[in-house]
Amino acid sequence: EVQLVESGGGVVRPGGSLRLSCAASGFTFDDYGMTWVRQAPGKGLEWVSGINWNGGSTGYGDSVKGRFTISRDNAKNSLYLQMNSLRAEDTALYYCARGVTAYYNGGRFDYWGQGALVTVSS
Amino acid sequence: NFMLTQPHSVSESPGKTVTISCTRNGGSIASNYVQWYQQRPGSSPTTVIYEDYQRPSGVPDRFSGSIDTSSNSASLTISGLQTEDEADYYCQSYDTSVVFGGGTRLTVL
Repeated sequence: EVQLVESGGGVVRPGGSLRLSCAASGFTFDDYGMTWVRQAPGKGLEWVSGINWNGGSTGYGDSVKGRFTISRDNAKNSLYLQMNSLRAEDTALYYCARGVTAYYNGGRFDYWGQGALVTVSS
Repeated sequence: NFMLTQPHSVSESPGKTVTISCTRNGGSIASNYVQWYQQRPGSSPTTVIYEDYQRPSGVPDRFSGSIDTSSNSASLTISGLQTEDEADYYCQSYDTSVVFGGGTRLTVL
């Protein structure tokens, strides 16, 4: 059974940093591109970042470019999102999702985690 | 980059048919596949349509998808509406990045 479990969420002050993790199981992790999608309270889905199967290519949404860094450790079946210079508008539930190809921008996302809540507040 | 625009909300009665549109602004709707996700309150999104019109196993055939190049839009049609279809629906596509539409709240009155 495919499972994606996010962790690392919490409350952080504006300007602070946080690192999210996504532990994957039930599939061959390095066969797939992975992505982070967030959802602010009461708002829609927003693509945050994606990474190809081997980490060789990454992409970012305009609102996080230069502040967030996506990475993966295929040996540990894990996906990460390093979030720096956090702002109040980064407050959201952050989902980890699996793509259906080796590339993060290759189509749909077929499995999603339950999300990690990040709250940026003073 | 491009944007995907959806109506904020739609409503219809049980048993009826509803169509949700997703208009691409920038580039052709046919350039890259469109997916549709359903999200119920408190749950993660699930796919109801992928690659414009394909249905994942387990999704009822009441759900169908299409694209229209003349209006540069994709559509999700749900027929025989049931109360359980009440949810938020998001279209999604991609090119060098990934784009989600703003979402449509479906109310089944």
